[in-house]
Amino acid sequence: DTGVSQDPRHKITKRGQNVTFRCDPISEHNRLYWYRQTLGQGPEFLTYFQNEAQLEKSRLLSDRFSAERPKGSFSTLEIQRTEQGDSAMYLCASSLYRDTDTQYFGPGTRLTVL
Amino acid sequence: DAKTTQPPSMDCAEGRAANLPCNHSTISGNEYVYWYRQIHSQGPQYIIHGLKNNETNEMASLIITEDRKSSTLILPHATLRDTAVYYCIVRVERGSGGSNYKLTFGKGTLLTVNP
Repeated sequence: DTGVSQDPRHKITKRGQNVTFRCDPISEHNRLYWYRQTLGQGPEFLTYFQNEAQLEKSRLLSDRFSAERPKGSFSTLEIQRTEQGDSAMYLCASSLYRDTDTQYFGPGTRLTVL
Repeated sequence: DAKTTQPPSMDCAEGRAANLPCNHSTISGNEYVYWYRQIHSQGPQYIIHGLKNNETNEMASLIITEDRKSSTLILPHATLRDTAVYYCIVRVERGSGGSNYKLTFGKGTLLTVNP
């Protein structure tokens, strides 16, 4: 068990560009979550999947954001036409929705939009 | 989810016990208390959780008051590597029939362990 991994760890982009982040959950975890964290704040929920189904999206997830988990394993989060306000740490977590459903987080992807 | 209240910051001497308080006076009977911590520029790390009994694992102990309106996370022998923001979160547990999957983080307590 290598834990939740995220790629890339850092991304710098220019305003208006599209970016995509990847999350690999802990093996056999069937739930996967995306959170966003801005400076000085705690993480905020964006969306979650159970297997390949996206079951909930926060109002924070504007139409420029899209997340997928095509085979119920890894997930991608894409941001189109990035804005400076999108600069944040994007965190992925996974859990096994069987017993305690405890979420385990990855190291995050830090996005800077210039 | 019930709202939690934590002090914004605390200091602790290295080698001493760190006791981090959390108030959750509106907690419901089927809500668990979770603790996570976040070391600078890393993802949150799960520490421990409990319902009403005290819990202990290799990282920490969780003491929940009898009325469940507050709890204390105890790091028995704090080290410099325990310097982090500690988050107290209450959440409905899957087994209780709830479906509140997401974690709602506040601003947490910045614990600084001093040499």
